[in-house]
Amino acid sequence: GAGVSQSPSNKVTEKGKDVELRCDPISGHTALYWYRQSLGQGLEFLIYFQGNSAPDKSGLPSDRFSAERTGGSVSTLTIQRTQQEDSAVYLCASSSWTSGGDTGELFFGEGSRLTVL
Amino acid sequence: LAKTTQPISMDSYEGQEVNITCSHNNIATNDYITWYQQFPSQGPRFIIQGYKTKVTNEVASLFIPADRKSSTLSLPRVSLSDTAVYYCLVGDITSGTYKYIFGTGTRLKVLA
Repeated sequence: GAGVSQSPSNKVTEKGKDVELRCDPISGHTALYWYRQSLGQGLEFLIYFQGNSAPDKSGLPSDRFSAERTGGSVSTLTIQRTQQEDSAVYLCASSSWTSGGDTGELFFGEGSRLTVL
Repeated sequence: LAKTTQPISMDSYEGQEVNITCSHNNIATNDYITWYQQFPSQGPRFIIQGYKTKVTNEVASLFIPADRKSSTLSLPRVSLSDTAVYYCLVGDITSGTYKYIFGTGTRLKVLA
């Protein structure tokens, strides 16, 4: 597609339920990021995928959070047993690499707004 | 963990030039400096990127001193629609992977 696509745009769930958020990056972009943004706050790094390398999961807040990236393209962020503090906008971004490394130009999706009741 | 430091907020009036400075004392030799703009309920979008000296595009200028430990985003003649959060971004190598971690950003409010 022309840009980074995220779904669903809005998700309301009950505490304790599992949710899956999807990110479809720009075609050809090998780097993919997930960030979380709580209301009025900055972007919190969650996880980073680069090509076929093992993902950097250092930002995941708990073991209830996991993510995978299939075929080097689409990524799914899964939150198990959701809690109210998980309520936030989850943003996905992708970028391309050159011989010099990551270009540093991240293209963001519109985000998935998660509300846990 | 963020490698950048910016003022939390700034106010300006329409028509003025706004300069937002970011400190990145531990920037890597081969790292670029990238600035993003974020409006409410949207993902950040790329504004400008530079490595050293000065870069200018249709929306902003970026000034980077020789030591590259800071950078200044300059927005000429701001309007109300420039009210947004502005982030500067450099690479982060903590946890062994080169990646991008955002700082707190600067919340710019443009007043009429």
